[in-house]
Amino acid sequence: AQKITQTQPGMFVQEKEAVTLDCTYDTSDPSYGLFWYKQPSSGEMIFLIYQGSYDQQNATEGRYSLNFQKARKSANLVISASQLGDSAMYFCAMRVLGGATNKLIFGTGTLLAVQP
Amino acid sequence: EPEVTQTPSHQVTQMGQEVILRCVPISNHLYFYWYRQILGQKVEFLVSFYNNEISEKSEIFDDQFSVERPDGSNFTLKIRSTKLEDSAMYFCASSRDRDYGYTFGSGTRLTVV
Repeated sequence: AQKITQTQPGMFVQEKEAVTLDCTYDTSDPSYGLFWYKQPSSGEMIFLIYQGSYDQQNATEGRYSLNFQKARKSANLVISASQLGDSAMYFCAMRVLGGATNKLIFGTGTLLAVQP
Repeated sequence: EPEVTQTPSHQVTQMGQEVILRCVPISNHLYFYWYRQILGQKVEFLVSFYNNEISEKSEIFDDQFSVERPDGSNFTLKIRSTKLEDSAMYFCASSRDRDYGYTFGSGTRLTVV
């Protein structure tokens, strides 16, 4: 079975600084995808970044990068130059690729507060 | 950019009533999903739907729930006899193929009173 663990229920960061949100995962499948979603107070789920288990390089999307350490089964999200609008809940998720299931398994989330 | 549309954004219903949550997935997507998020908790998978049938469902998705694709564009979740614990945000999502990324809708906040 797959599992996602986010150990930081809440984080503070100063505006313009970088912040790392932790995510570890557990799966016995060799082929999987890792996702990060942002959920602002309005409630919608916004896709941020994706990393495939066979991708050689860490994924980057603008100010978001994913620090993928396969041996440690971690997929931390790094947000550079934080902005006030980054204040939101952040969810790490994974799904097995090519297997019997294609559902997303979510972690419990990290609430990020960006301070001016 | 194409998006998944959910209606209504908020719904309040009496316990025991039936509700239908509606979703319009992205037009060329083939896989459809419903997820649920109870307030303050993590997002949980309910059901996936492909080729006009359920491909996978969770333990949460019991006989009280059903899904349907009544025409070429809508995808609905019906809760037959709502309970207080059904109060949650319900997200619809769609994907182009099985291993492609999801696009989530903005959710329907269901409150059962």
